[in-house]
Amino acid sequence: EADIYQTPRYLVIGTGKKITLECSQTMGHDKMYWYQQDPGMELHLIHYSYGVNSTEKGDLSSESTVSRIRTEHFPLTLESARPSHTSQYLCASRDAVTGEQFFGPGTRLTVL
Amino acid sequence: EDQVTQSPEALRLQEGESSSLNCSYTVSGLRGLFWYRQDPGKGPEFLFTLYSAGEEKEKERLKATLTKKESFLHITAPKPEDSATYLCAVQAHSSYKLIFGSGTRLLVRP
Repeated sequence: EADIYQTPRYLVIGTGKKITLECSQTMGHDKMYWYQQDPGMELHLIHYSYGVNSTEKGDLSSESTVSRIRTEHFPLTLESARPSHTSQYLCASRDAVTGEQFFGPGTRLTVL
Repeated sequence: EDQVTQSPEALRLQEGESSSLNCSYTVSGLRGLFWYRQDPGKGPEFLFTLYSAGEEKEKERLKATLTKKESFLHITAPKPEDSATYLCAVQAHSSYKLIFGSGTRLLVRP
């Protein structure tokens, strides 16, 4: 079973608020990812990291930012949330040997 | 351009009615093909990795196979608890990213 955690699981906030979605993994994986997924739709990569102090934008443009100060921690921040940010956010980490990505349970964000 | 296409988009089966899900892919040098199961409101759960044509893997009622152009996920005698969205993804040798298909929504009726 993958040891990757996301908090909060659900978040309802008002427009203009700053939020941080937490993601942590205990597997020692260097590579981590953030995906955005609307209900019934595809996963879209919004950020990834090769390791500490390394972050890159994904395929889908996002107003969020990420940081990677520690291997196990990969938080995502929205400086000013808007209703268009309403979605599910999934964090994943990758096993360098097998290439397998393991996903967290997700954070369902609703911006009113 | 690396691409993954899954079919059908949705599949309804009666309990015990075996079937197959298809994943067609185009990738510049396949490093691995991955199958995931996703339940509503949850993160994808890893099922299988296939690395080369001819490879097969099994887990309970699921069997995944791989050719040079596509992969199949065979479901034998499915049960209602197999209802979920099944996602296929590929990774190229030159990339750290997975390219996901849009998934097949499977509903198994008792």
